Amino acid sequence: GQQLNQSPQSMFIQEGEDVSMNCTSSSIFNTWLWYKQDPGEGPVLLIALYKAGELTSNGRLTAQFGITRKDSFLNISASIPSDVGIYFCAGPIQGAQKLVFGQGTRLTINP
Amino acid sequence: DSGVTQTPKHLITATGQRVTLRCSPRSGDLSVYWYQQSLDQGLQFLIQYYNGEERAKGNILERFSAQQFPDLHSELNLSSLELGDSALYFCASSVARWDYNEQFFGPGTRLTVL
Repeated sequence: GQQLNQSPQSMFIQEGEDVSMNCTSSSIFNTWLWYKQDPGEGPVLLIALYKAGELTSNGRLTAQFGITRKDSFLNISASIPSDVGIYFCAGPIQGAQKLVFGQGTRLTINP
Repeated sequence: DSGVTQTPKHLITATGQRVTLRCSPRSGDLSVYWYQQSLDQGLQFLIQYYNGEERAKGNILERFSAQQFPDLHSELNLSSLELGDSALYFCASSVARWDYNEQFFGPGTRLTVL
């Protein structure tokens, strides 16, 4: 079935550093979604990408829809303590009304 | 605050028992989705209801069932519980029948099976 692989699984960085994470699949996705989950909370949608090659920003966050449609990237610039959490990529499965999620990238920031 | 409410926030029970998790969608949302998140795992889609009818099914076990009531709140019933059922269970809602980019998630119910 369609699966999403995220890397890295976890990141430990210093405040102020830039962050990059990615999501890959063996299958083509027509939409890529990036969510953030704070501890004890449900996921919140950060960015949605609908077109191959698309580059979209949301404040300090920038996400790209890979040209092959099999990958997506999320970058966070100048990280701050509130960026701590788990970042998930997700995409809708073709022909089915359901989302598949990656296993997440856990971001920890040292002050 | 997403506007989606879930109760209870925490639930501790024993193997073999049955529990019911409750979700109230955002005002005006007709679709409710249930997800399971095990420790350090991504979210696994379980089931979706739209305006009272089941619309899509994911990896939901036969021991699990759900329903959506006329007032649009939904319940997820988990029976014959096993240790491996311990997880966070999230409910999400959206206005339309299939809005993959407009699903608003509740805070979740943490289920611990001892």
